[in-house]
Amino acid sequence: AQSVSQHNHHVILSEAASLELGCNYSYGGTVNLFWYVQYPGQHLQLLLKYFSGDPLVKGIKGFEAEFIKSKFSFNLRKPSVQWSDTAEYFCAVTRPHNYGQNFVFGPGTRLSVLP
Amino acid sequence: EAGVTQFPSHSVIEKGQTVTLRCDPISGHDNLYWYRRVMGKEIKFLLHFVKESKQDESGMPNNRFLAERTGGTYSTLKVQPAELEDSGVYFCASSQPGLALTDTQYFGPGTRLTVL
Repeated sequence: AQSVSQHNHHVILSEAASLELGCNYSYGGTVNLFWYVQYPGQHLQLLLKYFSGDPLVKGIKGFEAEFIKSKFSFNLRKPSVQWSDTAEYFCAVTRPHNYGQNFVFGPGTRLSVLP
Repeated sequence: EAGVTQFPSHSVIEKGQTVTLRCDPISGHDNLYWYRRVMGKEIKFLLHFVKESKQDESGMPNNRFLAERTGGTYSTLKVQPAELEDSGVYFCASSQPGLALTDTQYFGPGTRLTVL
């Protein structure tokens, strides 16, 4: 079965530190890749997505992710985190089919940024 | 534009009772999805509607769960009778209509269900 793993359960950083959250998926065919974020008390929001083309994807709030097909990875990065980036981050994969696409989510990585 | 809304935000019920969760998708979105996150685990797909039809219900855990989307607008997810292991956060998401395979899903705030 298709699965998504995220390397860290909880990451603690100081402000201005660089961030990299790992994501690997197990499916070998065509996939769409997403990172979602859930800030405290808020709903899941899309950070960025990859469907095709340039494997380096830029999202909102200074986040980017790189799709490396050979490694089945889609790691999320940000050069300098802020306290407001404290949230839970989810990597998700879909395998497109005829009608819509059902997400397979990773377990989530909780990021705590210390002021 | 209003986003995906869910009601209630939190429900506390006793084992054996019935609970109905509601999701209102973004207006015009034919695709509607239900997901669930049990405490400490990953968000898991439950089912997918295209308009009023169930396109994929492979994630529904058992026959205590019933989802409907009459008229192709809002959807309800009923749990009857509820068990302790049903506790978790139930998310709804919607996306644009048609056969586009690259549509983004927009999530609601979730309903936190606690079964005592």
